[in-house]
Amino acid sequence: AQSVTQPDIHITVSEGASLELRCNYSYGATPYLFWYVQSPGQGLQLLLKYFSGDTLVQGIKGFEAEFKRSQSSFNLRKPSVHWSDAAEYFCAVAANNNDMRFGAGTRLTVKP
Amino acid sequence: GAGVSQSPSNKVTEKGKDVELRCDPISGHTALYWYRQSLGQGLEFLIYFQGNSAPDKSGLPSDRFSAERTGGSVSTLTIQRTQQEDSAVYLCASSLGRDHEQYFGPGTRLTVT
Repeated sequence: AQSVTQPDIHITVSEGASLELRCNYSYGATPYLFWYVQSPGQGLQLLLKYFSGDTLVQGIKGFEAEFKRSQSSFNLRKPSVHWSDAAEYFCAVAANNNDMRFGAGTRLTVKP
Repeated sequence: GAGVSQSPSNKVTEKGKDVELRCDPISGHTALYWYRQSLGQGLEFLIYFQGNSAPDKSGLPSDRFSAERTGGSVSTLTIQRTQQEDSAVYLCASSLGRDHEQYFGPGTRLTVT
């Protein structure tokens, strides 16, 4: 079965600094990849997704992610972090059986 | 349109009691998912339905957990003889399929005392 690893449990960055959240997946074929964000007290919201085609995917709120097959990675990036980006971020992978698996999440703290 | 709804929003129960959690997916969504999110933990996949059938039940943590979906719509997650370690937020999501976004409900916060 597919699986996802988010190596960083907690990351702190200063407001205005760049951000990269790591995600590695395990799956035998090309997966469908997703990044979700969960703000405090809120539900999960989709930031972006990759199915095929261009490996650099643009999402909402200025986020992007790059699919690298050779590294089995789908890291999330943002050039300049805003205080409102503080949240929990989840990477997810879906296989061809509709089964989606989530990583453990990375909690982002933004310093003023 | 209406999103995914879950009820109750909060449930406090005594250890050993049975609980039922309900999920109303978005109309027309054939795929429905249940997850558990424990305090400080990520999302733990429990089970998903494609229509009324559940191809993969391996995520259910024990035989005290069961789920059903009727009419390709509403789903109920049942936990029998609840234990304190069952305390968590139970999230439901639905989608049109694997190449579509999963839409999440607000969750049911279960507290077992």
